Amino acid sequence: EAAVTQSPRNKVAVTGGKVTLSCNQTNNHNNMYWYRQDTGHGLRLIHYSYGAGSTEKGDIPDGYKASRPSQENFSLILELATPSQTSVYFCASGGQGASAETLYFGSGTRLTVL
Amino acid sequence: GDSVTQTEGPVTVSESESLIINCTYSATSIAYPNLFWYVRYPGEGLQLLLKVITAGQKGSSRGFEATYNKETTSFHLQKASVQESDSAVYYCALGRRNTGGLSGKLTFGEGTQVTVIS
Repeated sequence: EAAVTQSPRNKVAVTGGKVTLSCNQTNNHNNMYWYRQDTGHGLRLIHYSYGAGSTEKGDIPDGYKASRPSQENFSLILELATPSQTSVYFCASGGQGASAETLYFGSGTRLTVL
Repeated sequence: GDSVTQTEGPVTVSESESLIINCTYSATSIAYPNLFWYVRYPGEGLQLLLKVITAGQKGSSRGFEATYNKETTSFHLQKASVQESDSAVYYCALGRRNTGGLSGKLTFGEGTQVTVIS
């Protein structure tokens, strides 16, 4: 069974602090993605990666960095967290070719920045 | 840019009743995008429910159906008789054109929370 695991499930951070959200996948997928969802918006793409060592900017990358140290792990980093980054964050992995649009998601991280 | 608009939730439906969640899209990056419905059950991540890649075709899964209508740019999700286990958040999404081909860079609607009551 394909699996994407996010940690932590919930996180409370202070403004200006550093936050790291972690994601691990056992699907052996090359592609991984970070999305966020806010009330009134669909999921929006922050960063993505096509393989270990690569990261690409998505639609809303400002204020975020990403790191892909291995095939399995993809982190989202908020160097200086702000209240506007309070959201639910979803990590996903995906294959290539015809199956590239079939994503496998983690259960989400709820981040609150005070 | 691309956008997806779907029925605003929350929606409450009685068990064995029918359900329809409307979805319309606007795609500027590609004329005929691939269309998807994803579902998120309580405590779980989103998972693919069904997809249709050809205009005019219908997709189905777990009793749900959706038809790709390019004339009305719609992809409504329907189920004739819902069960309590269908309580979830449903997301309509479209795929984008990328120079590298298909990818997981999808454009999602905001999701529709559906609660089925007995």
